[in-house]
Amino acid sequence: GAVVSQHPSWVICKSGTSVKIECRSLDFQATTMFWYRQFPKQSLMLMATSNEGSKATYEQGVEKDKFLINHASLTLSTLTVTSAHPEDSSFYICSARQGVLAKNIQYFGAGTRLSVL
Amino acid sequence: DAKTTQPTSMDCAEGRAANLPCNHSTISGNEYVYWYRQIHSQGPQYIIHGLKNNETNEMASLIITEDRKSSTLILPHATLRDTAVYYCIVRGWTDSWGKLQFGAGTQVVVTP
Repeated sequence: GAVVSQHPSWVICKSGTSVKIECRSLDFQATTMFWYRQFPKQSLMLMATSNEGSKATYEQGVEKDKFLINHASLTLSTLTVTSAHPEDSSFYICSARQGVLAKNIQYFGAGTRLSVL
Repeated sequence: DAKTTQPTSMDCAEGRAANLPCNHSTISGNEYVYWYRQIHSQGPQYIIHGLKNNETNEMASLIITEDRKSSTLILPHATLRDTAVYYCIVRGWTDSWGKLQFGAGTQVVVTP
């Protein structure tokens, strides 16, 4: 299957700082990318959907000013957690898909574990 | 997108076939059934998907009932590395961008 690379895999930061997470599709062009968040013992929750060159669409309850998403190219999307606080500590996972058809496969990165002190 | 119902957990014996059920009684005609799994502390891994015909690949088989209201994922020879949470997801393009929404999934534990 296609490869989605996510970096870093683990990050620890102080409260009030910003953290950027990168997501790259290595062997295909990702028209659409997704960002998920997962708390311990819970399922993945979709945060936002982004399409190359346009603004991200955020799910209800997700603060767009706190979670900045940039999908600058067909192979790169970034998620910036601004002014991080301990409650933002979570497992963040990106996903990428080529095209918008329902039959197209969505591939996932390995995830980034964020710990805010 | 249609919702799915899966058992909370299942135990499987190593080397035996694992049959994972999923109910999606409100599925509509243009919605696909996707299966992913998530091994602890990793990103989800794509397994298989189908519309109405049975599908098989190197990882698993997907059996979809004729009325499409349920499906079964079959892992033919379960190994300890198949221990994971398995998610059955229905997705169509009626929802904007065809988003994958994850439910609770089935925790599968393969034992020696």
